[in-house]
Amino acid sequence: NAGVTQTPKFRVLKTGQSMTLLCAQDMNHEYMYWYRQDPGMGLRLIHYSVGEGTTAKGEVPDGYNVSRLKKQNFLLGLESAAPSQTSVYFCASSYSLTGQGAIWSNQPQHFGDGTRLSIL
Amino acid sequence: TQLLEQSPQFLSIQEGENLTVYCNSSSVFSSLQWYRQEPGEGPVLLVTVVTGGEVKKLKRLTFQFGDARKDSSLHITAAQPGDTGLYLCAGTAYSGAGSYQLTFGKGTKLSVIP
Repeated sequence: NAGVTQTPKFRVLKTGQSMTLLCAQDMNHEYMYWYRQDPGMGLRLIHYSVGEGTTAKGEVPDGYNVSRLKKQNFLLGLESAAPSQTSVYFCASSYSLTGQGAIWSNQPQHFGDGTRLSIL
Repeated sequence: TQLLEQSPQFLSIQEGENLTVYCNSSSVFSSLQWYRQEPGEGPVLLVTVVTGGEVKKLKRLTFQFGDARKDSSLHITAAQPGDTGLYLCAGTAYSGAGSYQLTFGKGTKLSVIP
């Protein structure tokens, strides 16, 4: 009964280092999302994917890249980490696209437990 | 970009008290969802409302969607320490050119003191 699993849970990086955050879902959801959550800013969408092999930019995409090579996995990459990217990152998935340029839906988004990333 | 304003930002109450939190916007939403997020975890969906004036109840939690579908409220009766968490509203709204956008509010952080 895993749902959405994010790895790692915690990570500390130095400025300029790169890393990849992994999100895996076992619910056969077509759509997946990456958010960042910062104090006083709420959840902000970074990138999303409407299916295997397709990705699109969200509200705050700069400095991040994503890939969806397999339906169950959605990877978020930081090529050259900056202190401004210190945040808690959440991955989510849903049966159908809730927002962002598609037919609206009231399907819920299922979230992972987050990755806490600190960049020094 | 549609904005969802949640109030209050922080709320600390004693166990057994009632409370209401609000989610307001100048935009009309096709649907609105409420999530609860506990420390160290991701948000979990509580309810979705889609019809203006709709009221849904989930045990001690009552959710209402405004008649004009621009606002929503969450009322908790006899709050318990287990209700502690961050309550987020999220609305889906038409953003023009055939597109819809999902927007999260910044949340209300609720602390229920035993």
